[in-house]
Amino acid sequence: DAKTTQPPSMDCAEGRAANLPCNHSTISGNEYVYWYRQIHSQGPQYIIHGLKNNETNEMASLIITEDRKSSTLILPHATLRDTAVYYCIVKARGYSGAGSYQLTFGKGTKLSVIP
Amino acid sequence: EAQVTQNPRYLITVTGKKLTVTCSQNMNHEYMSWYRQDPGLGLRQIYYSMNVEVTDKGDVPEGYKVSRKEKRNFPLILESPSPNQTSLYFCASRSREVGTEAFFGQGTRLTVV
Repeated sequence: DAKTTQPPSMDCAEGRAANLPCNHSTISGNEYVYWYRQIHSQGPQYIIHGLKNNETNEMASLIITEDRKSSTLILPHATLRDTAVYYCIVKARGYSGAGSYQLTFGKGTKLSVIP
Repeated sequence: EAQVTQNPRYLITVTGKKLTVTCSQNMNHEYMSWYRQDPGLGLRQIYYSMNVEVTDKGDVPEGYKVSRKEKRNFPLILESPSPNQTSLYFCASRSREVGTEAFFGQGTRLTVV
């Protein structure tokens, strides 16, 4: 699985859009970009994923660059409850051997939403 | 409601006293796994299971056992807990279908004294 790089921390004003970047320059053609977040010490929560097209759901939007080497998670109107650690994970689709379903969490980006 | 349920949520035990942390999912997922989370080390996989009776070691399996006798359950067993197993534990499940997300339990905070 491709390695990802995220800034260690970011601040965002409440009500503004939070834009969280992720670099995955070694991504290969069959790898998805997944985003999860962890609020305090709760279990990680799935947010969104995509392959090459931009994606949007009720929680967030995912913008993937045309060369797929980087992506941005957008929380359109951040609230205090969005304060969490956000993880960008690159994962091959399907099964390709032992451990291929393993999610490798890096250190993520700690997003602080400020009143 | 789709969920992964872990029990107990909190546990304090003494060194050497066998314990089991249960994990159950109601989504008929094939894949289940256990992680531990420690400050500065992030989430690390302990064991995973591809399906019933199929388990394998993750990155930090020492001191742990698992079993997968039923599809919905994946208990984590500490035969002889030690203080270095004090940690926050998460169970997760996921479908084998392409491009699906993982669901995590709410965590079990274990303290071994």
